[in-house]
Amino acid sequence: AQSVTQPDIHITVSEGASLELRCNYSYGATPYLFWYVQSPGQGLQLLLKYFSGDTLVQGIKGFEAEFKRSQSSFNLRKPSVHWSDAAEYFCAVGPPGFQKLVFGTGTRLLVSP
Amino acid sequence: DAGVIQSPRHEVTEMGQEVTLRCKLISGHNSLFWYRQTMMRGLELLIYFNNNVPIDDSGMPEDRFSAKMPNASFSTLKIQPSEPRDSAVYFCASTAGQNNEQFFGPGTRLTVL
Repeated sequence: AQSVTQPDIHITVSEGASLELRCNYSYGATPYLFWYVQSPGQGLQLLLKYFSGDTLVQGIKGFEAEFKRSQSSFNLRKPSVHWSDAAEYFCAVGPPGFQKLVFGTGTRLLVSP
Repeated sequence: DAGVIQSPRHEVTEMGQEVTLRCKLISGHNSLFWYRQTMMRGLELLIYFNNNVPIDDSGMPEDRFSAKMPNASFSTLKIQPSEPRDSAVYFCASTAGQNNEQFFGPGTRLTVL
């Protein structure tokens, strides 16, 4: 069965500092991988996705993620965090050809001035 | 393009009452997912449909919950009778094809007193 682990429940980063949110997945082959962001009171918005090809994926709002097959990881990064990035971030995995996604438990990002 | 539309955005009801949540898919999408989000349990998939047919309802918590897709663009999630533990934010999401990218609605915040 597929599973997604986001080991950090909360992360606090100073504005302007770099960010890395961790995501590890369990799946027999290479799945489709996603990062979503949820701002307070809002639905989930897709930040970026990986299906195949280049393992470094660029997304919206200056985010990027790197797929590392050997580590079963898909960590999200941003070089300089803005106060508006404070939100909850979800990693999700889905097997190619199917539509059901498995979501991680989320990481809440707090941005300090 | 209009995104996924959910109504109502907020619902406050008393225990024992029937609650109906509504969702309109993005035009051209053929799969619909209902999720429930709580602090304790995170984001849970309740049920999903493909081409109006329920594919996986293993996440539906009890017989009090039912979901329908009367046509290709609309779905309802009904709780009858509602209980305080049903209080949560309910999201629907839609997708097209098999690329797994789900588009989320803004959610319905349900409070059962």
